[in-house]
Amino acid sequence: GDSVTQMEGPVTLSEEAFLTINCTYTATGYPSLFWYVQYPGEGLQLLLKATKADDKGSNKGFEATYRKETTSFHLEKGSVQVSDSAVYFCALSISGGSNYKLTFGKGTLLTVNP
Amino acid sequence: NAGVTQTPKFQVLKTGQSMTLQCAQDMNHNSMYWYRQDPGMGLRLIYYSASEGTTDKGEVPNGYNVSRLNKREFSLRLESAAPSQTSVYFCASRVTSGNSYEQYFGPGTRLTVT
Repeated sequence: GDSVTQMEGPVTLSEEAFLTINCTYTATGYPSLFWYVQYPGEGLQLLLKATKADDKGSNKGFEATYRKETTSFHLEKGSVQVSDSAVYFCALSISGGSNYKLTFGKGTLLTVNP
Repeated sequence: NAGVTQTPKFQVLKTGQSMTLQCAQDMNHNSMYWYRQDPGMGLRLIYYSASEGTTDKGEVPNGYNVSRLNKREFSLRLESAAPSQTSVYFCASRVTSGNSYEQYFGPGTRLTVT
């Protein structure tokens, strides 16, 4: 079945440090890939997405590139801020799948210290 | 637009009690979903509704029932609550954008079963 594996946390960084959160996937079809962010006490928000190989999704300084050859979609940010502290989820959805559901990784907690 | 709304935000139940979690969306989306979030498990799909009048089981449906009341509303019912159902429950609805399948999430219901 489809699955997403992401780097286990927690990850603790100082402000302005470089962030990478690894995400790899297995899928029976041709997936779209997503990063969602969950701030404390809130629901999930879509951070960025990519729908085909070599696409780069970007938003709020975060980037991720859809790498079909390595089945990866790693999240990066060049300089994190305290306000980026949250849980980050990698997810996939199969285009044309019968139920259009999202398959999530387990989440990575990021804490950014001043 | 309010987006996806959920009620209640918090609930405490005793084992064996029943309750219904309410979800509504005002974005005219066809598909709606119920997930539960547990520490270290990511989000797992309970039930989904691809369109008004249809519902299907997800990954963890046991102990739950759902009703797609109309296009806007999708409720989740626990007939006889168990401590294993202590979790945070998220409702989501889906838009089709190009060939991707973005989902929009509500703020969640935090349920404790004692």
